[in-house]
Amino acid sequence: AQKVTQAQTEISVVEKEDVTLDCVYETRDTTYYLFWYKQPPSGELVFLIRRNSFDEQNEISGRYSWNFQKSTSSFNFTITASQVVDSAVYFCALSEVLLYNNNDMRFGAGTRLTVKP
Amino acid sequence: NAGVTQTPKFQVLKTGQSMTLQCAQDMNHEYMSWYRQDPGMGLRLIHYSVGAGITDQGEVPNGYNVSRSTTEDFPLRLLSAAPSQTSVYFCASSDPTRPSYNEQFFGPGTRLTVL
Repeated sequence: AQKVTQAQTEISVVEKEDVTLDCVYETRDTTYYLFWYKQPPSGELVFLIRRNSFDEQNEISGRYSWNFQKSTSSFNFTITASQVVDSAVYFCALSEVLLYNNNDMRFGAGTRLTVKP
Repeated sequence: NAGVTQTPKFQVLKTGQSMTLQCAQDMNHEYMSWYRQDPGMGLRLIHYSVGAGITDQGEVPNGYNVSRSTTEDFPLRLLSAAPSQTSVYFCASSDPTRPSYNEQFFGPGTRLTVL
């Protein structure tokens, strides 16, 4: 069965610090997708990134970067030079591609990031 | 496009009452899902649908019913609300015809309290 673990429940940093959010996943499938979502205090879920299991290239988008390592089943998320607006709950999620009709996305418990000015 | 819309935004029920959470999308997505979000547990899948007339259970389906009579709408029914169903409910949709079909678009959520 698929499972996502975000061991860090809460992280607090001071503005301009770099911070890494950890995500470890379990799956028996060889083809799967990994996601990160941001949930700001307003409550909506904001899509950040999708990565498929065949693409281990790290990705950078502005201050955000993602490190995907299949060898350790991890998909970590780093925010460089954090800002107060980055304060949110961040969710890592996994979706297996077992069958055409599969639509089951499993989420981690989330990491609450607080960036203090 | 309005994307995924949910109504109501907030609801308070008494134990035993029934209600329907509405979800609609205007992106012509075949896949739709309902999740609940509880503190410290992330989002958990309740029910999902891969097209009109087809629904299936997710991780936590007990106490909830769904139906999918049209592509656009996917209502979630609570037949007899219980305090354990106090949660934030998210509806999501995705397009299986796109290479990124696993990417789900989420609605704004419905915060439900059962007293």
